[in-house]
Amino acid sequence: AQSVTQPDIHITVSEGASLELRCNYSYGATPYLFWYVQSPGQGLQLLLKYFSGDTLVQGIKGFEAEFKRSQSSFNLRKPSVHWSDAAEYFCAVGTTSGTYKYIFGTGTRLKVLA
Amino acid sequence: NAGVTQTPKFRVLKTGQSMTLLCAQDMNHEYMYWYRQDPGMGLRLIHYSVGEGTTAKGEVPDGYNVSRLKKQNFLLGLESAAPSQTSVYFCAAWGLGETQYFGPGTRLLVL
Repeated sequence: AQSVTQPDIHITVSEGASLELRCNYSYGATPYLFWYVQSPGQGLQLLLKYFSGDTLVQGIKGFEAEFKRSQSSFNLRKPSVHWSDAAEYFCAVGTTSGTYKYIFGTGTRLKVLA
Repeated sequence: NAGVTQTPKFRVLKTGQSMTLLCAQDMNHEYMYWYRQDPGMGLRLIHYSVGEGTTAKGEVPDGYNVSRLKKQNFLLGLESAAPSQTSVYFCAAWGLGETQYFGPGTRLLVL
């Protein structure tokens, strides 16, 4: 069965600093990969997605993510964090055949220091 | 185009009561999902459906039942609510090669 791991529960960065949020998955083939952001009391907003092709994916709000098959990873990055980026971030994996499951990691809460 | 809608938005139940949450989508997507979200746990998959008339168990199915009698609707039932089922419930619809679309969520409080 597939699984998603976000090893960092909390991350704190200073405004203007770079950011990398980690996501590792377990699946027998190449899955569909997603990053979502959720502000308190709000729903989920899709930041970016990877289906196939170029392994570096650009998303909204200046975020990007890189799919590394050899490491089973899909880490989210941003070169310069803004205070408004403080939120919870979720990585998700969708299987591409058979069960069509779509599961989420436990999330990483980002705090931004002024 | 409403996307994914959920009914109700908020509900308070007493322990032992039953209720049904309704999810409706207007995108003709084959796959639909029910998640619950609890602090520190992320979104956990309860049940899902890969087509009309089919359902499957997710990560945390106990205490819930689902039905997908029509392609556009996916119902989540709680037969005998427990305080542990206090949560925010999200429904989603997904078409392969597309983004998963989420409903706005249902806040359920079980006393």
